[in-house]
Amino acid sequence: ETGVTQSPTHLIKTRGQQVTLRCSSQSGHNTVSWYQQALGQGPQFIFQYYREEENGRGNFPPRFSGLQFPNYSSELNVNALELDDSALYLCASSSGRGYEQYFGPGTRLTVT
Amino acid sequence: KNEVEQSPQNLTAQEGEFITINCSYSVGISALHWLQQHPGGGIVSLFMLSSGKKKHGRLIATINIQEKHSSLHITASHPRDSAVYICAADGRYSGGGADGLTFGKGTHLIIQP
Repeated sequence: ETGVTQSPTHLIKTRGQQVTLRCSSQSGHNTVSWYQQALGQGPQFIFQYYREEENGRGNFPPRFSGLQFPNYSSELNVNALELDDSALYLCASSSGRGYEQYFGPGTRLTVT
Repeated sequence: KNEVEQSPQNLTAQEGEFITINCSYSVGISALHWLQQHPGGGIVSLFMLSSGKKKHGRLIATINIQEKHSSLHITASHPRDSAVYICAADGRYSGGGADGLTFGKGTHLIIQP
């Protein structure tokens, strides 16, 4: 059974650019949540996908968007990057809504 | 919106000491998670509990639903336990979609040999 994986590990982008982060869920998991963790802070909920549909969203602007694919892998897209988007982005998969979440290692995004 | 508070924010202890980290939340939840985060970012789920007590090795987690309070205990602490410990509240699903986990700010634990 493979765990949750994320790619890339690190990424440097320029303000105004767009970025796509990827997450591969643990086998058998149909739910994925994305979180943003700024330096020194706890993670903040971005959104959750359940069976390819957005199932809930935190207080993030529309330039944060996502996709979940039929194999339950997922993408987080951020448009018009801002300096404050610099953070560790974590995805977590689970076998359903309200079940234990298994976290990936994260993607560290730096916006310059 | 749930507010999750953790204490202490920082804790330094000697190897072998009994450690307690506290977590309180403001509104009803479906479950409370305890997570461990090491430098570099990776998060490991330690416990998910909705009532009572769970034990795994030297780690014990308890929750009091009525008081909206949970504790994480580490017995016979060891330097390898040094990490950030985070509690996170999982809201109830009301049909309006997920709220995701609401995280505390974490407790930075250092166990000195």
